[in-house]
Amino acid sequence: QPVVTQSPSASASLGASVKLTCTLSSGHSRFAISWHQQQPEKGPRFLMKVNSDGSHIKGDGIPDRFSGSSSGTERYLTIDSLQSEDEADYYCQTWGSGIYVFGTGTKVTVL
Amino acid sequence: QLQLQESGPGLVKPSETLSLTCTVSGGSISSGSYFWGWIRQPPGKGLEWIGSMYHTGSTYFNPSLKSRVAISVDTSKNKLSLKLSSVTAADTAVYYCAPSMRDAYYFVSWGPGTLVTVSS
Repeated sequence: QPVVTQSPSASASLGASVKLTCTLSSGHSRFAISWHQQQPEKGPRFLMKVNSDGSHIKGDGIPDRFSGSSSGTERYLTIDSLQSEDEADYYCQTWGSGIYVFGTGTKVTVL
Repeated sequence: QLQLQESGPGLVKPSETLSLTCTVSGGSISSGSYFWGWIRQPPGKGLEWIGSMYHTGSTYFNPSLKSRVAISVDTSKNKLSLKLSSVTAADTAVYYCAPSMRDAYYFVSWGPGTLVTVSS
């Protein structure tokens, strides 16, 4: 089954942009992933599904400043106009051979 | 819009069986659109998928937990259940229920979660 890898942390200034990366293991470049946000002391929230062609499907109520894209085995989540409430952990998730797989998460800090 | 609420004992003794229920509203478990899953998160750690079930009975389980996990659905009550046997302190976690799209396998909604502590 696929494995997804995430950097442990990222930071950017208030109002700036940040781009998070979720890397699929070799041989899984056609796999889609989903992004989930977990704010401190809260449960996760589905943000979007990102396909291998870069198209994405957002969850209900997700602001336009959240977007997804793809390149090869990399799937991206870009947050524009960073706000304080965007400080959270972000997890990517994929599926293969009957198994759901989560990345280890990226902690985003708003400076 | 789907809403989920996990419930169950907050404290379980080692070697006993953890039992949780997820009540689904805003949609029917038997609608056919979703697999219904359980995910957990130990304190300070990341997300770990436990297992998922389709309303017809098809199931997928995390291989590392498969021997201890049972998942069932009660379509008449619109509820999903989890049983995890022979628990240890390593099973202490917040447990979430979450539906995933049947044809695309990504989680589209999450319950608020319920903390289960394994301790004597």
